[in-house]
Parts: sequence; C-alpha cells; structure tokens
Amino acid sequence: DAKTTQPPSMDCAEGRAANLPCNHSTISGNEYVYWYRQIHSQGPQYIIHGLKNNETNEMASLIITEDRKSSTLILPHATLRDTAVYYCIVRVAPLITQGGSEKLVFGKGMKLTVNP
Amino acid sequence: DVKVTQSSRYLVKRTGEKVFLECVQDMDHENMFWYRQDPGLGLRLIYFSYDVKMKEKGDIPEGYSVSREKKERFSLILESASTNQTSMYLCASSDPTSGYTFGSGTRLTVV
Repeated sequence: DAKTTQPPSMDCAEGRAANLPCNHSTISGNEYVYWYRQIHSQGPQYIIHGLKNNETNEMASLIITEDRKSSTLILPHATLRDTAVYYCIVRVAPLITQGGSEKLVFGKGMKLTVNP
Repeated sequence: DVKVTQSSRYLVKRTGEKVFLECVQDMDHENMFWYRQDPGLGLRLIYFSYDVKMKEKGDIPEGYSVSREKKERFSLILESASTNQTSMYLCASSDPTSGYTFGSGTRLTVV
C-alpha cells in the first residue's frame, strides 16, 4: 500500500492561501489521493480527492503532479476555522473483489494553524 | 443532516466491563469502519464490514469484536474493557462512489 509523507506542521496567515504538500512516491496507477481534515475533538471530514487531474470544489483545490508522486492541497483563503490536522491518504486497493470493500489508512497528518 | 451517528459522545466504564459502542448511518452505505485515535499514533483501523454479517479485522483487532446485523448499524464490542482501551473511537461509513463519512466520535475512558 502506498504511504504518504507530510510535514508535521505548518502556519498560515488568515486570508492567505494555504498550500499543504504531500508526497506519495509509491502510489499505484489506480490509487486515488484523498484529503481529510480533523478539527479538534471531531471526526475527520472529507475535503477532496483525485486520481490524475487537478480537482476543485467549494472547500479546496487539489493539484497532483504529472508523475503522481506528490500533490498539494490548496485552501485559497484560509480562515481561523481551517485550523486542523490535515490527512493526505492514498486509497488502499480492495482486500476482496466481491463486495468492493476499501479501507483508508491514516498517517499522522499535518497540523495547520491559521493565525490572525 | 447528520449521517453517521455514534450513540455516546463520552463514556466511562470500569475495567472488566463489557462495552458496546454503537454506530448508525443513514446513507445506505455498504462499508462501515471502526477506528481508534490516540495521541501520537493517529487513527488506527480496528475492524471493518463490507456487508451485513460480514466483518474483517483491521490493524489492531485484539480485544475487540464487532457486529453488523443490519446494514445501517455497526457495533464495536469490548468484551472485557481494559485501561489501555481508553481512547477516542471513530465510526465511519462509505461506498465505492463516495468518500468516507465519520461520526463525531466516542471518547471512552476505562477506569
């Protein structure tokens, strides 16, 4: 299973763009990159995911390099409420073919602190 | 708009007690998961289920069992609670076309 590497922490000024890096150099061709975040004392929240192309939704943008070995999550205008632990995850292949079960393996994530 | 509900937010149990943590999802998802989260260790998968009455061990199943009698409900059971099972427990559900949706978590303290 592909593993990811993130810096342990990052600071960002409120209102500025936050660029969160992730390395996944052993990713397989059919594995997606997922991003989740966890605000203190809450369950993780889905942000975005992608395979090859860049993706954008109402929360963030995901930029995946052409070789797919790394990606960047962009929060275009960070707010104080974006302070959280951000997890970059590569989706593990199903353990069985029938049923299509999949599991996410979480690393330690990266603590983003947005400062006023 | 709540989609994954965990029955208790905080729970205190005594060593040796049998503990049930309940999780219900209303999205008709096939897959459900139980994780525990501890400081410095991140989220670790305990058990998951891809269908009713089906279950698979995750990375740390020792000391736990699960039950999935109905599609919407996935229970985590601590047969004999121990202090090293004090943790935050997180339930999630998913299907192949969606991301994971997590519950708010149950903070269990075993004394």
